[in-house]
Amino acid sequence: QQQVRQSPQSLTVWEGETAILNCSYEDSTFNYFPWYQQFPGEGPALLISIRSVSDKKEDGRFTIFFNKREKKLSLHITDSQPGDSATYFCAASIASSSFSKLVFGQGTSLSVVP
Amino acid sequence: EAAVTQSPRNKVAVTGGKVTLSCNQTNNHNNMYWYRQDTGHGLRLIHYSYGAGSTEKGDIPDGYKASRPSQENFSLILELATPSQTSVYFCASGARGSGNTLYFGEGSRLIVV
Repeated sequence: QQQVRQSPQSLTVWEGETAILNCSYEDSTFNYFPWYQQFPGEGPALLISIRSVSDKKEDGRFTIFFNKREKKLSLHITDSQPGDSATYFCAASIASSSFSKLVFGQGTSLSVVP
Repeated sequence: EAAVTQSPRNKVAVTGGKVTLSCNQTNNHNNMYWYRQDTGHGLRLIHYSYGAGSTEKGDIPDGYKASRPSQENFSLILELATPSQTSVYFCASGARGSGNTLYFGEGSRLIVV
């Protein structure tokens, strides 16, 4: 059972455009949502995260929009650059006082064409 | 800078053989994790640990064992490797508590023939 779903599986945008990556989840107890970025041959690395008390989080060209009622979130990458070409994973955490168990989506492969 | 080191980076094993993937972290993190990454499935949690001496089953533990002999080291053991365990395996570490960043290693690519 896939608790975190991402769409699309792959996305191609032109340099300078805004890329929109979508994510949805099922478990209403999830309250922490990080996005990880992975380049080929490397491990994932944290890009940006949001907690369920917020509906928006910005970090430079990267913005998360969060809709708690619909259990959906999206990552917007403005002014996309070729260096942004990577796989992006949406993840969700089940609240715990001592342990962070992340559930990952399937990933979206982003290609930015110059 | 957080550091998680995995070995071996690449491994070819025969069906029925034993495989040990090792992970070392220098972050002094309590929590460590083993994930496998497969196309269409993302990252799936195999085993995790709260600290030295502890191991817990993740979402897909069947066919895998784990060992955490020290704060720094966490191993994933395939006693009887099968072709279905061909995958890329990632180790990660994280500080105690919910909502903390996970730091991943560079991955170990395992092929079981």
